Amino acid sequence: EIVLTQSPGTLSLSPGERATLSCRASQSVSSSYLAWYQQKPGQAPRLLIYGASSRATGIPDRFSGSGSGTDFTLTISRLEPEDFAVYYCQQYGSSVWTFGQGTKVEIK
Amino acid sequence: QVQLVQSGAEVKKPGASVKVSCKASGYTFTSYDINWVRQATGQGLEWMGWMNPNSGNTGYAQKFQGRVTMTRNTSISTAYMELSSLRSEDTAVYYCARVGWLFAWHYYYYMDVWGKGTTVTVSS
Repeated sequence: EIVLTQSPGTLSLSPGERATLSCRASQSVSSSYLAWYQQKPGQAPRLLIYGASSRATGIPDRFSGSGSGTDFTLTISRLEPEDFAVYYCQQYGSSVWTFGQGTKVEIK
Repeated sequence: QVQLVQSGAEVKKPGASVKVSCKASGYTFTSYDINWVRQATGQGLEWMGWMNPNSGNTGYAQKFQGRVTMTRNTSISTAYMELSSLRSEDTAVYYCARVGWLFAWHYYYYMDVWGKGTTVTVSS
């Protein structure tokens, strides 16, 4: 089973700053099957990025995804107050889905 | 609009079973797989398994093999997840999620629509 490791565990930043979140896989992952989700307290996760770099419908362009193979990145170019949340990467392969443990982006 | 509506909160005793429902609307239920994902309080997301509503085929995470059953009723566009032999560690919010897909040179898969979650509490 592929293990996804996200870093850092917590990112403390101020509104307007740039956030860079990392997701590393234990073995190569198909970019087509790599996604990122945002989750706020008491809410279900929301799809942000699919295919490693394609924004989901309605997602602002300050969110971008990149990477391939075993290293993937979610970047938020300028943090808005509503972006402070937990972010998960996820991969799919061989009929198994796995999530990273999450990165919390908190207000500094 | 496209949505998944889940059943209400449940409180169960250890050893019992729970069955959570997930009603789809706004799209063709049989055209998209359904995943089930759970989240214990303060913890991350844990994938439990998938079901194809058209065929009824399922696939379960190894951790839940033998304890989870995913079924559907296509006449009412509803998916079900039943978890048996409950223990306190199964206390969590259980989500259903639609597996979205796109074909552009190759297939893309992702979870694009989520239910609001069902809280299951296991306590004696």
